[in-house]
Amino acid sequence: QVQLQESGPGLVKPSQTLSLTCTVSGGSISSGSYYWSWIRQPAGKGLEWIGRIYTSGSTNYNPSLKSRVTISVDTSKNQFSLKLSSVTAADTAVYYCARDHPNYYDSSGYYSWFDPWGQGTLVTVSS
Amino acid sequence: QSVLTQPPSASGTPGQRVTISCSGSSSNIGSNTVNWYQQLPGTAPKLLIYSNNQRPSGVPDRFSGSKSGTSASLAISGLQSEDEADYYCAAWDDSLNGHWVFGGGTKLTVL
Repeated sequence: QVQLQESGPGLVKPSQTLSLTCTVSGGSISSGSYYWSWIRQPAGKGLEWIGRIYTSGSTNYNPSLKSRVTISVDTSKNQFSLKLSSVTAADTAVYYCARDHPNYYDSSGYYSWFDPWGQGTLVTVSS
Repeated sequence: QSVLTQPPSASGTPGQRVTISCSGSSSNIGSNTVNWYQQLPGTAPKLLIYSNNQRPSGVPDRFSGSKSGTSASLAISGLQSEDEADYYCAAWDDSLNGHWVFGGGTKLTVL
């Protein structure tokens, strides 16, 4: 079965760019009608969706973060990545990657959900 | 402030039935399906209910979901101690080129 694993620096300085990678194992990142999402959770708070990418490169971003976020995909490495620029302490959080599928519309609206999730990685923004 | 509104807390005794509400708007719950996620302490969220009322394989039938208009609900019957967790609703929002929105989460305590 598909598994996801986040990786990247656990500490980033304010004003710098946070960079994380999610490695997909147990299946091809290119197979199926899948989007691949990033979600974060500050300590003691709720979940916030950051953005997602389709293997074609098509993206959607959280409107509140859009100006600072770039998500990319490397199908040759079965990975997708997150870059968040100009970080502040407010960006300190556990960052999760997740598969977003099956991604289709019918008369009841949009069908998709996050499954599976990675275990998450804590990123602290501090000097 | 989350786009979807959930009560911050809920509680019940073992064996009871509890419900958690999730309120949204016409651009999210009113137009699209709702998913629920369970987050046990110290772990990543897990898909609990998808497409309003469908359970993934392995999720007990004590968990059920429903949707009406711009609101959704998660019901847990026969409450067990291992159900103590945070629960989040989520839906796709069609505004602003489309984006996912979450509820603020509900912490369920089993008394």
